Amino acid sequence: DGGITQSPKYLFRKEGQNVTLSCEQNLNHDAMYWYRQDPGQGLRLIYYSQIVNDFQKGDIAEGYSVSREKKESFPLTVTSAQKNPTAFYLCASSIPPTGANVLTFGAGSRLTVL
Amino acid sequence: GEDVEQSLFLSVREGDSSVINCTYTDSSSTYLYWYKQEPGAGLQLLTYIFSNMDMKQDQRLTVLLNKKDKHLSLRIADTQTGDSAIYFCAEDGASGTYKYIFGTGTRLKVLA
Repeated sequence: DGGITQSPKYLFRKEGQNVTLSCEQNLNHDAMYWYRQDPGQGLRLIYYSQIVNDFQKGDIAEGYSVSREKKESFPLTVTSAQKNPTAFYLCASSIPPTGANVLTFGAGSRLTVL
Repeated sequence: GEDVEQSLFLSVREGDSSVINCTYTDSSSTYLYWYKQEPGAGLQLLTYIFSNMDMKQDQRLTVLLNKKDKHLSLRIADTQTGDSAIYFCAEDGASGTYKYIFGTGTRLKVLA
């Protein structure tokens, strides 16, 4: 079945460490996204990529980095520069939005900074 | 800036109808969406409506759009305990863009 796989499901990090969250899709979607979810704040866009080897900052990109070397993969690195990284991170993908831009989401990764 | 607002909580009894409301500010949105999130999971699309439509029905779900007041609602008929989740309203800006704005989400609790 086609879908999006995020790993790990749970991740603990010490302050000062970088961590990378994996996102892989087999839907043949061109566009991929990373969102951060905090209680009572909805979803906020971190980065998105419309095509391989291209990506744009979202609303809260500071302290995060991404790469898009393959169509299927869009990993997110949470760097030590991110001041408050504890959150639930969601990866999504979509086909180019010529009509409705329906997002398909992964199951999420919960990052906790100790 | 653009904003999408929802009430945070809603509680209903099993078998009743649920109505979740949303207001948005970006009048250039082409489509408006409703997503559902179950505990510890990602979001799933429930339905969406084109901005020129007033209503869309899909089985137990009815979406109403008042474009003049920028108000969107989702009605769930015969609400079941399995409908307990967080419901997100979202708008996507002008056609062909990758812009997507989510509301804060409404946590629906269904009482048996």
